[in-house]
Amino acid sequence: EVQLVESGGGLVQPGGSLRLSCAASGLTFSSYWMSWVRQAPGKGLEWVANIKQDGSEKYYVDSVKGRFTISRDNAKNSLYLQMNSLRAEDTAVYYCARDVVGLGLAYWGQGTLVTVSS
Amino acid sequence: DIVMTQTPLSSPVTLGQPASISCRSSQSLVHSDGNTYLSWLQQRPGQPPRLLIYKISNRFSGVPDRFSGSGAGTDFTLKISRVEAEDVGVYYCTQATQFPSYTFGQGTKLEIK
Repeated sequence: EVQLVESGGGLVQPGGSLRLSCAASGLTFSSYWMSWVRQAPGKGLEWVANIKQDGSEKYYVDSVKGRFTISRDNAKNSLYLQMNSLRAEDTAVYYCARDVVGLGLAYWGQGTLVTVSS
Repeated sequence: DIVMTQTPLSSPVTLGQPASISCRSSQSLVHSDGNTYLSWLQQRPGQPPRLLIYKISNRFSGVPDRFSGSGAGTDFTLKISRVEAEDVGVYYCTQATQFPSYTFGQGTKLEIK
């Protein structure tokens, strides 16, 4: 059974930083693209970033470029999102998701809440 | 970027009756490889999203056969043949034709009358 467990969320002041983690199990982690998707309170889904199997390619939504960095450690079956210069509009539940070719975002974690507020 | 537009945004349905949600993309979702990467996600209250349908009409593992998808090009539909109480939630269409980026529809809230 595929399991994705996010952690690292919390309350942070505007301009601050936070690092999210996603621990994967039940899959050959190094074989898959992985994504971060967020959902602001009461709002819809927004894809944030994804990363290729070996970490050689990374893509971001325009609103986070230059502020967020996605990375992975295949030896630890873990995905990360380093978030800097946080803004109020970054407040959301952040989900990690496994990309499957042809299926899209096939498996999702439970999410971790990030609140940016003074 | 491809914009995904869903209608309606809210759908009150009677238990046991059918439901239908439409999704329109701002440009064709036919990929150069010939596939159309249009998926549907379900998000029950307080839960993460769950993949229901991929490539227009293929049900994901464990998805009941009362869910079906159809469409082509820029117009797509998710149908529930007989709505059950556990189907309450928000449904999103999403495209992966422009992979590695994804875009989502605004979501359609399915509720019981």
